[in-house]
Amino acid sequence: IAGITQAPTSQILAAGRRMTLRCTQDMRHNAMYWYRQDLGLGLRLIHYSNTAGTTGKGEVPDGYSVSRANTDDFPLTLASAVPSQTSVYFCASSDGSGSSNEQFFGPGTRLTVL
Amino acid sequence: GQNIDQPTEMTATEGAIVQINCTYQTSGFNGLFWYQQHAGEAPTFLSYNVLDGLEEKGRFSSFLSRSKGYSYLLLKELQMKDSASYLCAVRDSNYQLIWGAGTKLIIKP
Repeated sequence: IAGITQAPTSQILAAGRRMTLRCTQDMRHNAMYWYRQDLGLGLRLIHYSNTAGTTGKGEVPDGYSVSRANTDDFPLTLASAVPSQTSVYFCASSDGSGSSNEQFFGPGTRLTVL
Repeated sequence: GQNIDQPTEMTATEGAIVQINCTYQTSGFNGLFWYQQHAGEAPTFLSYNVLDGLEEKGRFSSFLSRSKGYSYLLLKELQMKDSASYLCAVRDSNYQLIWGAGTKLIIKP
């Protein structure tokens, strides 16, 4: 693994089903993030984690949950999917050091809820 | 509220120069980022400004004026591969990134 991986690449899901999007990074970054990206809108933060064992809510957390059991993994769960959760989901990480502390992004998961 | 504004779409010619503007109103300021995103791909980091002035990195430069809440990304010697969306983001007082909707740049031969 090099960088951040996400799985699945894409998924079509029936409304009401439970779904977990996986995210794994091998850069030993402390902070991880989940965003959704919708046409015409900027990336919106769903949840974040500044370090293993801690999580926080972003701008649009409703309907989503996360966990951060270790440094590498940061899964995002939709407990009961709804059509408005159709989006492209990006996981990102940053190491918290240096002046810029830029975020590195995974390749994304394209989710369609019918 | 927090707001990042950038043009929706711009068109430029191969070999030319283009400037993409970004204005922001956020609760606090801890740096401004520019990312490039090709269609169907993840955003990738281009530049970071935290102090006023110009940061140059090869064909790309980014400018910041904190007093005006303004930044621009300057792309020189445009190449077809520069066709992408360019995302402006500001790190706010909570150290979270607030993102603009992105500017789709179309390069014509």
